[in-house]
Amino acid sequence: DIQMTQSPSTLSASIGDRVIITCRASQSPDSWLAWYQQKPGKAPILLIYKASTLESGVPPRFSGGGSGTEFTLTISSLQPDDFATYFCQQYKTNPFTFGPGTKVDL
Amino acid sequence: QLQLQESGPGLVKPSETLSLTCTVSGGSISNPNYYWAWVRQPPGKELESIGAIYYTGSAFYNPSLKSRVTISVDTSKNQFSLKMRSVSAADTSVYYCATLGTSGNYHSLYWGQGSLVTVSS
Repeated sequence: DIQMTQSPSTLSASIGDRVIITCRASQSPDSWLAWYQQKPGKAPILLIYKASTLESGVPPRFSGGGSGTEFTLTISSLQPDDFATYFCQQYKTNPFTFGPGTKVDL
Repeated sequence: QLQLQESGPGLVKPSETLSLTCTVSGGSISNPNYYWAWVRQPPGKELESIGAIYYTGSAFYNPSLKSRVTISVDTSKNQFSLKMRSVSAADTSVYYCATLGTSGNYHSLYWGQGSLVTVSS
C-alpha cells in the first residue's frame, strides 16, 4: 500500500493568512492525488484532483502543487468558511489511501 | 447533478453481517463514466477505501477487507450495495458511498451524506 502522511496535523491560522498543507507519499502516486475538505458531520468535498486541477466551483484561493512524493495544498487567503479538516488521497494504486488529515482552526 | 444516499441498519451485532445500500438519483448508475464506491471513516479517524464496482458488475476491493466484503450493483433499482461479514467493533464507522471516475481518474466527486454503523451487542 502507498502510505500517506500530512503535516502539520493541526494548524492555527487567522482570516487572510496564507496556509500551506503538505502531503507525503511512501511511493510516488504520479499525479494521481486529490485533496478534500471535510467539516464535522459532513461528507468530504473534492477540492483538487490530478495534484493541481481545481474542481469546478471551488474558489481559486485553493491550489495544489508538488510532484513525486511531496504535494501541497495552498489556501492563498484563509476565509471563515475554510476552517475544516483537509485530507489528501492517492488514487494511483488500490487501495486508494488517504492521509490522516490536517485540521485548520483559529 | 448526482445525489447519493446511504441506507441500512445503524446497529449490527459482532460476528454478523453489515449491509448498506446506496441509492443514486439525478443520473443513471449505468453511466460509463463512474465507478460506485464505498469509503468508511471510524470516529475521529481517517478515511479508508473499501472498494468499488462498475455498472457491469466488475468490482475491486481493498485487499485488507477483500475476504469479508462484497459490493454488488442493481441497475434496475439504480442502487449498489455493501455487505461486510463477521464484523467487530473495529468496523464501527461512518460509511459513505461515493463515485470514482474512470481511466485513472479515481478521485471522488460525489458523496452520500454518510451512515453511521455501530457494531455492538
